[in-house]
Amino acid sequence: DAGVIQSPRHEVTEMGQEVTLRCKPISGHNSLFWYRQTMMRGLELLIYFNNNVPIDDSGMPEDRFSAKMPNASFSTLKIQPSEPRDSAVYFCASSLPGLYYEQFFGPGTRLTVL
Amino acid sequence: GESVGLHLPTLSVQEGDNSIINCAYSNSASDYFIWYKQESGKGPQFIIDIRSNMDKRQGQRVTVLLNKTVKHLSLQIAATQPGDSAVYFCPRRAGSYQLTFGKGTKLSVIP
Repeated sequence: DAGVIQSPRHEVTEMGQEVTLRCKPISGHNSLFWYRQTMMRGLELLIYFNNNVPIDDSGMPEDRFSAKMPNASFSTLKIQPSEPRDSAVYFCASSLPGLYYEQFFGPGTRLTVL
Repeated sequence: GESVGLHLPTLSVQEGDNSIINCAYSNSASDYFIWYKQESGKGPQFIIDIRSNMDKRQGQRVTVLLNKTVKHLSLQIAATQPGDSAVYFCPRRAGSYQLTFGKGTKLSVIP
């Protein structure tokens, strides 16, 4: 099993540009989570999908952030326009049905907005 | 309100010694408790969980102890190795799907 796959692993962009982060969950996992990690705020849940449906997006910081899950094997997190304060490591995680406490995290995308 | 408190934000241990990472919790209604580990440059990784009706659970070189009387959770690592160097989290369950990770405890293993 390849585990959760995220791309790109690193992204450097300029303020105002659109950024799209991608995630492929583990096959058979029906729950998908997007997190953001910074030194100041730690690991924060941004959005949670269950069976491709967004269940809780209360952690999405602003309207500049949006997430989609068009099918069970793919999700995107988009930031438009990006700002320097969005610089962080963004993680995608997935879990089996009913086992949300055992989440499998991807390697993360380190985003730097200049 | 609920809180996730880690007694030691940083911990340095000599290689080969045992490590003990502590975590206090305030939600007595939790039905199980969880430990995650995050190595540098990687995503968090589930280590082990313990149900609230248990006092102890052992894994490979790790032991979780749960003391419900004082609302204390600990993770013990036997014969600590350099590969154990990481940040350890005891995330709090929030609702039916959410884990609140807090900032964790950093374990540094001295060779």
